[in-house]
Amino acid sequence: EAQVTQNPRYLITVTGKKLTVTCSQNMNHEYMSWYRQDPGLGLRQIYYSMNVEVTDKGDVPEGYKVSRKEKRNFPLILESPSPNQTSLYFCASGRTGGSYEQYFGPGTRLTVT
Amino acid sequence: AQTVTQSQPEMSVQEAETVTLSCTYDTSENNYYLFWYKQPPSRQMILVIRQEAYKQQNATENRFSVNFQKAAKSFSLKISDSQLGDTAMYFCAFMTTSGTYKYIFGTGTRLKVLA
Repeated sequence: EAQVTQNPRYLITVTGKKLTVTCSQNMNHEYMSWYRQDPGLGLRQIYYSMNVEVTDKGDVPEGYKVSRKEKRNFPLILESPSPNQTSLYFCASGRTGGSYEQYFGPGTRLTVT
Repeated sequence: AQTVTQSQPEMSVQEAETVTLSCTYDTSENNYYLFWYKQPPSRQMILVIRQEAYKQQNATENRFSVNFQKAAKSFSLKISDSQLGDTAMYFCAFMTTSGTYKYIFGTGTRLKVLA
């Protein structure tokens, strides 16, 4: 089944404790991206990647890191999480060229206390 | 900077009726794509419809159609014969392919279909 998977789905952590949210896709997509969703703000892009070893900032990259060492994986790293990073996070992937539509993972609910 | 504006935070429609969700965007680019995504209570994001800016013809997908007005930078979504399963948050989104490949989403419109 073609899909984007994220883990964990739910995470409660404390301020300053490094964490990684994994994202993997099995559709051989070049484009991958991370978003955060907050009430009243819609989805905001954190980082995106056009292909392996190519990443670029979205609109809200502060406090996040990403890497794209393999085409299928695009982990999101929070080196020192803070309460303002409490949010719902989505990973997405899509083809470059063509329509650029994105396929989304199920979301990760992160709470930082 | 590119922006996407959805001015209707909430809307409701009777089952089987037609509803139109508004979206405007701002860009100086010529090559871009526009999308409507649906987020039902399950939180899963699902593509509803897409439009390439270079195409004059409005996109349609079954009961969903768009009114794309490039000069006015307007991209509204029309849902015909509304069904209870259409109850969801709807997000308008924009992506340029000129230099950067950022995706910009609007703040969403919560649509409730009433029985």
